[in-house]
Amino acid sequence: EDQVTQSPEALRLQEGESSSLNCSYTVSGLRGLFWYRQDPGKGPEFLFTLYSAGEEKEKERLKATLTKKESFLHITAPKPEDSATYLCAVQDMDSNYQLIWGAGTKLIIKP
Amino acid sequence: DSGVTQTPKHLITATGQRVTLRCSPRSGDLSVYWYQQSLDQGLQFLIQYYNGEERAKGNILERFSAQQFPDLHSELNLSSLELGDSALYFCASSTQGQPEQFFGPGTRLTVL
Repeated sequence: EDQVTQSPEALRLQEGESSSLNCSYTVSGLRGLFWYRQDPGKGPEFLFTLYSAGEEKEKERLKATLTKKESFLHITAPKPEDSATYLCAVQDMDSNYQLIWGAGTKLIIKP
Repeated sequence: DSGVTQTPKHLITATGQRVTLRCSPRSGDLSVYWYQQSLDQGLQFLIQYYNGEERAKGNILERFSAQQFPDLHSELNLSSLELGDSALYFCASSTQGQPEQFFGPGTRLTVL
């Protein structure tokens, strides 16, 4: 059964303190892995798509990487405005464009 | 702004009632997805439409139904509402051949 597990559930960092969020997945065949950012009460905002192991994508202070079993979202020198819940989702080769979602990591950056 | 619009932003109603949520996808997107997100819960996939046809069903209750119209907008109908149906309801759309889903701002439903 397809499964996505994100860790930690919550992460508190000081401004400027770099860290990583983890997304572990189990699928029969990966079509794609997706990272989203969600602010409270708002719709998820698309960040990255990763398709194959070894692939990396960057956007400002965020960098997403992918292995055959997990993805990391690295946050470098975060600012308070990076505080949000970060969601990971995967799409199985056999799915009909459905995404399997993780529960998210709530990131809090303290000034 | 993702380009996906949803109305209304907020909806307050009573148990037993019926409501309709509306979604307009991004220009050119043929696929529409509906999700439910309860307080501090993850995104629960409800249903997907592609160019007017139902393509996939998730954990959608029998009291809920949806459709996609010829102009590609979609409506989610929730009936016999219960307190537990209070949640954020999101619509997302995607382009043919591209897996990324783009989300609307959501409708917050409160059932009293």
